[in-house]
Amino acid sequence: AQTVTQSQPEMSVQEAETVTLSCTYDTSESDYYLFWYKQPPSRQMILVIRQEAYKQQNATENRFSVNFQKAAKSFSLKISDSQLGDAAMYFCAYRRREKNNDMRFGAGTRLTVKP
Amino acid sequence: DTAVSQTPKYLVTQMGNDKSIKCEQNLGHDTMYWYKQDSKKFLKIMFSYNNKELIINETVPNRFSPKSPDKAHLNLHINSLELGDSAVYFCASSQENLAKNIQYFGAGTRLSVL
Repeated sequence: AQTVTQSQPEMSVQEAETVTLSCTYDTSESDYYLFWYKQPPSRQMILVIRQEAYKQQNATENRFSVNFQKAAKSFSLKISDSQLGDAAMYFCAYRRREKNNDMRFGAGTRLTVKP
Repeated sequence: DTAVSQTPKYLVTQMGNDKSIKCEQNLGHDTMYWYKQDSKKFLKIMFSYNNKELIINETVPNRFSPKSPDKAHLNLHINSLELGDSAVYFCASSQENLAKNIQYFGAGTRLSVL
């Protein structure tokens, strides 16, 4: 079974600083996708970043980047130059490449950004 | 312009009632999903559906049934509502066999069963 673990229920960062959210997962598969989704108070689930397991290069989207360590099954999200609008719940998610219907989410990390 | 839209946004109802939540996507995707997010924020898939098959998470009670009138819609019907059904329900869609294969989510429907 695949499980996704986010060990930090809550994190806090000062505006303009950098914060890293942790995620580990358990799988016996070699080909899969990993995602970070953001859920602001509006409840909308918004895709932040996506990583394909076969790609060694870490994905980057503007201020968001990941540290993907396949051997360690770790997929952390780094947010640089944090902004007030980054405050939200962040969910790490895993999906096997061939199983679109089986996305597994972590329990989420609530990020607070202090002005 | 909303890609995945759900209605209603809030739904308050009594135990034992039957209710439906509607979902529409205008992305031309061929696969749609329903997720349940409980009070602890755990997000679990309930169904996935495309024109080929409906896949049901085995933990979902048969009081829940997805209904798809066409490719752009996947409505969630719930019979005999129970207190434990209170949660936020998310619809999502994606296009299979696309390189990116990203799931896009609706804004959620908060269901409160009294």
